[in-house]
Amino acid sequence: EPEVTQTPSHQVTQMGQEVILRCVPISNHLYFYWYRQILGQKVEFLVSFYNNEISEKSEIFDDQFSVERPDGSNFTLKIRSTKLEDSAMYFCATQGISYEQYFGPGTRLTVT
Amino acid sequence: AQKITQTQPGMFVQEKEAVTLDCTYDTSDPSYGLFWYKQPSSGEMIFLIYQGSYDQQNATEGRYSLNFQKARKSANLVISASQLGDSAMYFCAMREGRSNAGNMLTFGGGTRLMVKP
Repeated sequence: EPEVTQTPSHQVTQMGQEVILRCVPISNHLYFYWYRQILGQKVEFLVSFYNNEISEKSEIFDDQFSVERPDGSNFTLKIRSTKLEDSAMYFCATQGISYEQYFGPGTRLTVT
Repeated sequence: AQKITQTQPGMFVQEKEAVTLDCTYDTSDPSYGLFWYKQPSSGEMIFLIYQGSYDQQNATEGRYSLNFQKARKSANLVISASQLGDSAMYFCAMREGRSNAGNMLTFGGGTRLMVKP
């Protein structure tokens, strides 16, 4: 059964450093999303991406964040200068022609 | 106002019994959909079931069914014949609108289900 994959599973970085989180969507899916979940809290939407451009973004997704699909397979989230409050689990989700969104296993980001 | 409300922070159920997890939602959009996800202690988010606002019948997927009551704006998840492996956090989520560019999901705060042997 096809699934969304994410790398790395855990990333530890120092405050102010750049991180890139990677996602490989399910083949033939058209819509891509990043969500995050701070420990013990609800899942929050960050950004959606369709047809090689951002279609929606939340207030959390400020200038420190960017997304791209550089090679037609990977979908990446870059945080330019990490802050302590960026520590969270980051989920990639992908969607095909139906409305169902399938999530990857997540990347746990720890900023020290 | 909260778009998705899950009023049960934690619930216990006896193995092999059925359990209902509550979810109420708030939207003025006529086109929307409700999702349920399971999050085990390992952290991944597992898609369980989806119900569209125009779907005539309640969605079912194996032991999962969605009790959709549109007038009451509720979309409760029913798990039949609970198993120990059902112990997890369960999140209700909603998409709104008919965007061709994708639909962000808004999540509730979750319900922790614990299945007792």
